[in-house]
Amino acid sequence: GAGVSQTPSNKVTEKGKYVELRCDPISGHTALYWYRQSLGQGPEFLIYFQGTGAADDSGLPNDRFFAVRPEGSVSTLKIQRTERGDSAVYLCASSFGLAVGAKQFFGPGTRLTVL
Amino acid sequence: GQQVMQIPQYQHVQEGEDFTTYCNSSTTLSNIQWYKQRPGGHPVFLIQLVKSGEVKKQKRLTFQFGEAKKNSSLHITATQTTDVGTYFCADTTSGTYKYIFGTGTRLKVLA
Repeated sequence: GAGVSQTPSNKVTEKGKYVELRCDPISGHTALYWYRQSLGQGPEFLIYFQGTGAADDSGLPNDRFFAVRPEGSVSTLKIQRTERGDSAVYLCASSFGLAVGAKQFFGPGTRLTVL
Repeated sequence: GQQVMQIPQYQHVQEGEDFTTYCNSSTTLSNIQWYKQRPGGHPVFLIQLVKSGEVKKQKRLTFQFGEAKKNSSLHITATQTTDVGTYFCADTTSGTYKYIFGTGTRLKVLA
């Protein structure tokens, strides 16, 4: 079956603009994670969902960042008033439930560049 | 907050040499997952360790969890060019499913 997909693969925007990044998890995976990865760094946790609800959004850097998962499948990460410091690769991962040991399957990421 | 450090940051080895990366935490680790990220790629799950002192093997890869659950290691025997990439450890913060990733070790294998 298909893996985790993310669109777009690349997004270039101007400072101050609004962007939406989409994640399509593996079918049947109830848990979905968003991470941000800067060059040379490890993935930085942003938020995770179990089903439709955000179980932990403590990693969102500020209120310009928001994520939704209205039907418990596809998720959208929304960034308002983008800043140059938001430039990074945004990774989505899904797993079959939330449990100790649940293997996370990562998507290819969206590379966001804010000019 | 919890910090997960990995050493070394970079490692260059000749093909056939062994390689080890260490994952150290400022707090007791809950469970450790190891991931490999190829250049330009995304992290791929390798293995999970849960128990104190646990050792797991996958072909040439040996993963170990420290007795005190404050560190973990990944050892690769006789590296190959296909081992090139960055290796990350990740731990959940106690009581949650929020994963904190380590700083990573970038491995280059010279043929």
